[in-house]
Amino acid sequence: DTAVSQTPKYLVTQMGNDKSIKCEQNLGHDTMYWYKQDSKKFLKIMFSYNNKELIINETVPNRFSPKSPDKAHLNLHINSLELGDSAVYFCASSYQDIGYEQYFGPGTRLTVT
Amino acid sequence: AQKVTQAQTEISVVEKEDVTLDCVYETRDTTYYLFWYKQPPSGELVFLIRRNSFDEQNEISGRYSWNFQKSTSSFNFTITASQVVDSAVYFCALLSIQGAQKLVFGQGTRLTINP
Repeated sequence: DTAVSQTPKYLVTQMGNDKSIKCEQNLGHDTMYWYKQDSKKFLKIMFSYNNKELIINETVPNRFSPKSPDKAHLNLHINSLELGDSAVYFCASSYQDIGYEQYFGPGTRLTVT
Repeated sequence: AQKVTQAQTEISVVEKEDVTLDCVYETRDTTYYLFWYKQPPSGELVFLIRRNSFDEQNEISGRYSWNFQKSTSSFNFTITASQVVDSAVYFCALLSIQGAQKLVFGQGTRLTINP
């Protein structure tokens, strides 16, 4: 059973398009996250949701909009894609109490041409 | 501000050698948590260990061991008798209460184990 899953695994699209990445966790966790990993492997948090409520919103362009329909799902929608958005996007989840480890999905490699 | 520094960008050793990955962190919190994650060539991020700031006991899990020293703000990771399958990028990360549960990652250390 996959704990944290993301679709699609690869996404190639042209500048200006709108795309979505879906994430689902079956661990019963309360909190979900989106991270961006750049070409130098640097990982940075973008958003976190706790029970469908936005908790963390880093300085991310407002072209990025997370949506959490329920606590097991956190989707990421990106409008007007730019070349600089090319990266690997990871979804993660954890229990809401501080200090619990986060479990990551397999990542979605987004390439904007 | 929270910060994690992994000064070793790349390490290359021959199989069966022991190797230590360094991690130095900065935080003003007295309560915080430290983590190590492994990212193999396949790309996923695998959780290895969590440590809280009140527990300075070293931990051993098979060939892996971790040395947490608050006095030097370090949380180093040692692989004993390394194997080719240990080749990966390893990330140290910090989470503190004042950091609003944001996991702050170090830059990662790319470890290559040569046969």
